[in-house]
Amino acid sequence: DAGVTQSPTHLIKTRGQQVTLRCSPKSGHDTVSWYQQALGQGPQFIFQYYEEEERQRGNFPDRFSGHQFPNYSSELNVNALLLGDSALYLCASSYSGLQNTGELFFGEGSRLTVL
Amino acid sequence: GDSVTQMEGPVTLSEEAFLTINCTYTATGYPSLFWYVQYPGEGLQLLLKATKADDKGSNKGFEATYRKETTSFHLEKGSVQVSDSAVYFCALRDTGFQKLVFGTGTRLLVSP
Repeated sequence: DAGVTQSPTHLIKTRGQQVTLRCSPKSGHDTVSWYQQALGQGPQFIFQYYEEEERQRGNFPDRFSGHQFPNYSSELNVNALLLGDSALYLCASSYSGLQNTGELFFGEGSRLTVL
Repeated sequence: GDSVTQMEGPVTLSEEAFLTINCTYTATGYPSLFWYVQYPGEGLQLLLKATKADDKGSNKGFEATYRKETTSFHLEKGSVQVSDSAVYFCALRDTGFQKLVFGTGTRLLVSP
């Protein structure tokens, strides 16, 4: 049973560019959340997707947007990249149903470097 | 808003030493509390959790008790191993939401 998979694992962009990160949730999971983890910091919640809609959002600007597909996979898009967007981006999946234990399952992340 | 405060690291211990990593939280509701661990080169993994006051979460020899009166959830282990070297994150999830609020993490280094 595959866990949460993310791609790409590493990427380098320059300021002003746009980036798309991808996530496939754990089998059976229907909810995907994205977190940003700056170096030496804890993960910060960006947003959560369920039933192809953004259900909750953290304190991130509109440059950060996302999408969830019918197969529950998800994309995170960041426009007009800034140096401060350099971070590890983590995708987490969970199940929204009655068997929801509250646990999030995390992928290994996509490390973005903005030059 | 909700927040989590962890002791700063790194915490450096010898094998078989006793471990405590302090965690306190601020929340308006009655949050669930979690400890996640991040091993080198790997994603975050749930270590243990507690969903209400006085609950004790435990896993792999680690324990933490949900203390509402002191708003704390300290992580303990009686005898650490080299393989426990990792970064440990305390987190909370408020009632009705699925988002997690994390602390800044505490790096644990265990030497033989």
